[in-house]
Amino acid sequence: DQQVKQNSPSLSVQEGRISILNCDYTNSMFDYFLWYKKYPAEGPTFLISISSIKDKNEDGRFTVFLNKSAKHLSLHIVPSQPGDSAVYFCAASALDSGAGSYQLTFGKGTKLSVIP
Amino acid sequence: GAGVSQSPRYKVAKRGQDVALRCDPISGHVSLFWYQQALGQGPEFLTYFQNEAQLDKSGLPSDRFFAERPEGSVSTLKIQRTQQEDSAVYLCASSPGTWRGSYEQYFGPGTRLTVT
Repeated sequence: DQQVKQNSPSLSVQEGRISILNCDYTNSMFDYFLWYKKYPAEGPTFLISISSIKDKNEDGRFTVFLNKSAKHLSLHIVPSQPGDSAVYFCAASALDSGAGSYQLTFGKGTKLSVIP
Repeated sequence: GAGVSQSPRYKVAKRGQDVALRCDPISGHVSLFWYQQALGQGPEFLTYFQNEAQLDKSGLPSDRFFAERPEGSVSTLKIQRTQQEDSAVYLCASSPGTWRGSYEQYFGPGTRLTVT
């Protein structure tokens, strides 16, 4: 029973174009969402986050959009660069729900390849 | 500065052996998390420490798994009588504040455990 779903295992994008990575969740108690980036043989690295009270958060080339009614979030990378090639994980937390609130629940990841 | 380090990076164990995996968090970080990442999956939460107190161990898959952080810094994840299904990458993450105060987690490179 996957509470956080990343339905695209992989995505290829030309350098300079927009990359859009999608994430869906089922648990309505989730109120904080994060994106992590992972290179091979390294641990995940925090990229950007968004609270459920917002619908958009920007940090340089990275923007995360949250649609609470659809239980959907997306990460936009503009413009995409070859160094962005990595696995991207979506993660969610129910910070204020009490029991289980220490956990981050991760999706399976999407492998992004940016082609020069 | 130094990030989260984990040792060993790779461990091969025969089925039935006990293993101990070490995590050195970033100095001064209050929160420490352990995750298990199976092949092709996202990290799955195992346990959470706030300083030396283990506040959540709901993700530990069985009583063969035990974690400790006796002095509130270094942590050890111990797996007794290893089974083949324990084969995974074990990730440690630390965070500067308490869970509700600091959402970003800094991950180590992980320990890849293979049980033969």
